[in-house]
Amino acid sequence: QQPVQSPQAVILREGEDAVINCSSSKALYSVHWYRQKHGEAPVFLMILLKGGEQKGHEKISASFNEKKQQSSLYLTASQLSYSGTYFCATVTLRGDKIIFGKGTRLHILP
Amino acid sequence: ETGVTQTPRHLVMGMTNKKSLKCEQHLGHNAMYWYKQSAKKPLELMFVYNFKEQTENNSVPSRFSPECPNSSHLFLHLHTLQPEDSALYLCASSQVGDTDTQYFGPGTRLTVL
Repeated sequence: QQPVQSPQAVILREGEDAVINCSSSKALYSVHWYRQKHGEAPVFLMILLKGGEQKGHEKISASFNEKKQQSSLYLTASQLSYSGTYFCATVTLRGDKIIFGKGTRLHILP
Repeated sequence: ETGVTQTPRHLVMGMTNKKSLKCEQHLGHNAMYWYKQSAKKPLELMFVYNFKEQTENNSVPSRFSPECPNSSHLFLHLHTLQPEDSALYLCASSQVGDTDTQYFGPGTRLTVL
């Protein structure tokens, strides 16, 4: 079952914050976040394992609520370099193959 | 050479041609993947190889034929493709039994005329 991402697209001004959500209907073992810039391959950002932890990567952090099977990616004080499509990908507790969401397009304006 | 490499980076072929895409990973991983990414579509998993054995074939047409001679190399053989097969083909690798984080190659941009 493909994870559902919201919103589908976001337009921000530089310095503004954004939240991207990812939800699954299945019990999850892990949530992965990737960013793909136009014309490039997806690049791994971070992984969250079950346990409700929160992780950070510069001004990009994420949380994982395993009870709700949801993860959120937080981008604070966004920079122009943050523009791209953000994908979440999930691995279920059953050990199913990793499945990617449809992505959230983020566009940062100067 | 580090990470995951793919060749060629761009490929234009006719519907009657036969071509192959190559992927090589230098990360010591034991699983490799082929994905298709079309405009306005999410990443579509095509094939998965764990320890050189194909474990997933996601209802991919037979005109796509994968080959994994060892855990570092993966090929995608193409024949009699259709224009709708034009897409970005991405290879990825991961370490099964670890976090399963996937590391992607730069992709091959395929255009079928």
